[in-house]
Amino acid sequence: DVVLTQSPATLSVTPGERISLSCRASESVDTYLHWYQQKPNESPRLLIKYASQSISGIPSRFSGSGSGTDFTLSINGVELEDLSIYYCQQGNSLLTFGSGTKLEIK
Amino acid sequence: QVTLKESGPGILQPSQTLSLTCTFSGFSLSTYGMGVGWIRQPSGKGLEWLANIWWDDDKYYNPSLKNRLTISKDTSNNQAFLKITNVDTADTATYYCARIGGGETLDYWGQGVMVTVSS
Repeated sequence: DVVLTQSPATLSVTPGERISLSCRASESVDTYLHWYQQKPNESPRLLIKYASQSISGIPSRFSGSGSGTDFTLSINGVELEDLSIYYCQQGNSLLTFGSGTKLEIK
Repeated sequence: QVTLKESGPGILQPSQTLSLTCTFSGFSLSTYGMGVGWIRQPSGKGLEWLANIWWDDDKYYNPSLKNRLTISKDTSNNQAFLKITNVDTADTATYYCARIGGGETLDYWGQGVMVTVSS
């Protein structure tokens, strides 16, 4: 099974900051790595697909990078509405999710 | 417009079989490349993928649960189903279905249905 390790588990941020969240795979997943945002009491929402491809309707402050085993989700100018849990998911070998990174206000 | 909605029993007892239904619109599971997946989330915890079913009836299961899972579909009624046998309290969770796009992206999600296993 492909294990995805997300770090940090929790990130305290100030609105307006540029931040980066990490997702590391136990083996190469090429670019079959996708990011989701889950707000409290809501279903997850697809943010970024294939490591770096944007999704229609998602604000441009969200971007992704990486390939193989190391991936990053960046938010350029965090807003209060971004306070959520962020999950990465690989689709190269069945599906697995990372354990999530929770964004909270500093 | 793509929508999905899960339905289930709400509460069931240990050792029973959990039956879940995903009713969707805006796409067809008879269309090449389309798939539906099931994912669950215990309260306050992370996401766990359970199973996928594809337009050609290919099925894939989480290896850790494979012996207990059965996924199926009714293309004419735009529904997908998941059965989990021999449930216990560890199966208490919100269960989601989602449309699967390219690269196994889960591009549309249902609102989720809460299932509690309790004696």
